[in-house]
Order: sequence, then structure tokens, then C-alpha cells
Amino acid sequence: GAGVSQSPSNKVTEKGKDVELRCDPISGHTALYWYRQSLGQGLEFLIYFQGNSAPDKSGLPSDRFSAERTGGSVSTLTIQRTQQEDSAVYLCASSVFPQGARGETQYFGPGTRLLVL
Amino acid sequence: AQSVAQPEDQVNVAEGNPLTVKCTYSVSGNPYLFWYVQYPNRGLQFLLKYITGDNLVKGSYGFEAEFNKSQTSFHLKKPSALVSDSALYFCAVRASSGGYQKVTFGIGTKLQVIP
Repeated sequence: GAGVSQSPSNKVTEKGKDVELRCDPISGHTALYWYRQSLGQGLEFLIYFQGNSAPDKSGLPSDRFSAERTGGSVSTLTIQRTQQEDSAVYLCASSVFPQGARGETQYFGPGTRLLVL
Repeated sequence: AQSVAQPEDQVNVAEGNPLTVKCTYSVSGNPYLFWYVQYPNRGLQFLLKYITGDNLVKGSYGFEAEFNKSQTSFHLKKPSALVSDSALYFCAVRASSGGYQKVTFGIGTKLQVIP
């Protein structure tokens, strides 16, 4: 079946503008994650959604970042008043959770490369 | 708080030689441990995971990893490296108990296999 998809694949914006990044998880996956990958910084956790539970927002770097997940499926990550330091690749992943003793394997999308000028 | 350390930014190995990519972790209780790989211009892919049982875990593309509880390590290994193994490798950990626990990734190790 289809994997995790993200759009747009690339986004160039001007400092101060708002951007929306979209993630379509694998059908039936209850868990959805957003990460940020900056050069030399590895994978930085941003936010996690699991079913109808309150999301874990502990990784969001500032109140300019927000995310929502509608109908337990598609998710949108919004960055308001973008700054140059927001430039990075934003990755979305989904998984089936819980899997009990089997743990969970995350399936990653191709990412959105954001460049803030 | 849980954490992952990948002490080497880059590992260089000659094609045909064995390779090791190091990972140590810190977590409360028993861990679930993962390795993911990111090939150039491609998304992150799952490689292997340790959940329970045998400490030696075998995964895709001939890779394996050994869970060592006393050393809190989960090093990735392959007996004979290929040029096509050149990629960015991420180790990850989460606690196995207490319901949902987020996964923490390391900063990644770049593996360069030299022909």
C-alpha cells in the first residue's frame, strides 16, 4: 500500500511568513509524529499524536509552531512568522500503536525541505 | 529522561571490511531499541529493532545489532561492508513500559564505505 506522504516536498518562504506542511500517514496507523532534521542536529522530536489522546507537544521549539490532526488521519504542521533558523527538513512518521511487546516501527515520509530566506 | 548517544559523527571503512556503528542509551527500565538508515536523498527507513529475547538482532541488508544491557549499548554491525551501505544511521530508544513513551533518536552517524 501507499506509504507516508508529505507535501510540499520543497518550500521556500520569506522570513515572517506563515507556512503549512502536510502529512498523510499510512491508512490505519494510529500514531503520527513530526520531527525536524537540521544539518548536524540529527532528528529533533516535535510533536506526537496517538488516536484521540491529547498530543505530546513537548518538542515544539516555540509557540510559533503548532500542529493538528483531523479525523485521526491527515496532520498539518504550521509555523507562524517563520525565522531563518526554522530552515530544515520536516519529517513525518506514522506507526501502529500500541503493539504491546512488539514495540513500534515508525514509517517515515520523504520530508518537506523548508528554506526561510 | 531517556537519551541516545552516537559518539562518532562519521565512520569510514573499506569495502569488504567489517563495520561497527556505536550507540549507547539511557532509559528507565527495559528499552526498545531501533536502528534506522537514511540513504542520500531518500527517507528514513527502519533497519532493525530489539524488543526482547535474543540479544543479537538481525535486520535488513545483512545488518545486525547486539543489545548489551550491562554496557547499555546497541552497536550496529555488518561483517562485510558494501559501498551501497554508505548512508546516515540513526539509533533510537524508548522505554518498554508505562504506556506511550516517545522515541528518542540519536544525532546520527555518517557511514562512508570506501571502494
